[in-house]
Amino acid sequence: EAEVAQSPRYKITEKSQAVAFWCDPISGHATLYWYRQILGQGPELLVQFQDESVVDDSQLPKDRFSAERLKGVDSTLKIQPAELGDSAMYLCASSLAQWGTSGGSSYNEQFFGPGTRLTVL
Amino acid sequence: ELKVEQNPLFLSMQEGKNYTIYCNYSTTSDRLYWYRQDPGKSLESLFVLLSNGAVKQEGRLMASLDTKARLSTLHITAAVHDLSATYFCAVWENRDDKIIFGKGTRLHILP
Repeated sequence: EAEVAQSPRYKITEKSQAVAFWCDPISGHATLYWYRQILGQGPELLVQFQDESVVDDSQLPKDRFSAERLKGVDSTLKIQPAELGDSAMYLCASSLAQWGTSGGSSYNEQFFGPGTRLTVL
Repeated sequence: ELKVEQNPLFLSMQEGKNYTIYCNYSTTSDRLYWYRQDPGKSLESLFVLLSNGAVKQEGRLMASLDTKARLSTLHITAAVHDLSATYFCAVWENRDDKIIFGKGTRLHILP
């Protein structure tokens, strides 16, 4: 069964250090999402890619966060420098959806990876 | 801006009982999703609801959607311990092509 892959699963770092997370979406999924989930809350969208292009990064703290999906397949999310408040679960999701269109049935359904739990000390 | 509210946020119940989780949202939407999350794990898709009056059932869980009332319910029938988890509803925001999550309902079923 196709799954979204993420690594690492856990990351502990000290504040001011740089961290990077990797995501490989389900094959053929054009849209890729990075979410941040703080303990006890729902996921919040950080950035959304359509193929290699960013279509929404309005909630991404761009002074320290960056994301890329150079070949339109896998993606990397980076934080530099990490701060204590960045401790959270970082979730990657993918879907078949083409941004700006409305498909039928479960077209826009998002499938989530296992996540990376980040702890900043 | 779309707001999604779930209630209750925490629910402790006995095995064998029935209960309902509510999800209200603030603006018109084409679709709504329910996800399950176990502690420390990722989100598992449960239901996708696409139209007014849609009802879907899987085992002891049944989800419904009333787009006129902007309300979805997740009903649990004869709860069992294995259903203990956090349940999220997520609503499609038509204008911005993204989904907005509720805060989740943490369900604890006592054996």
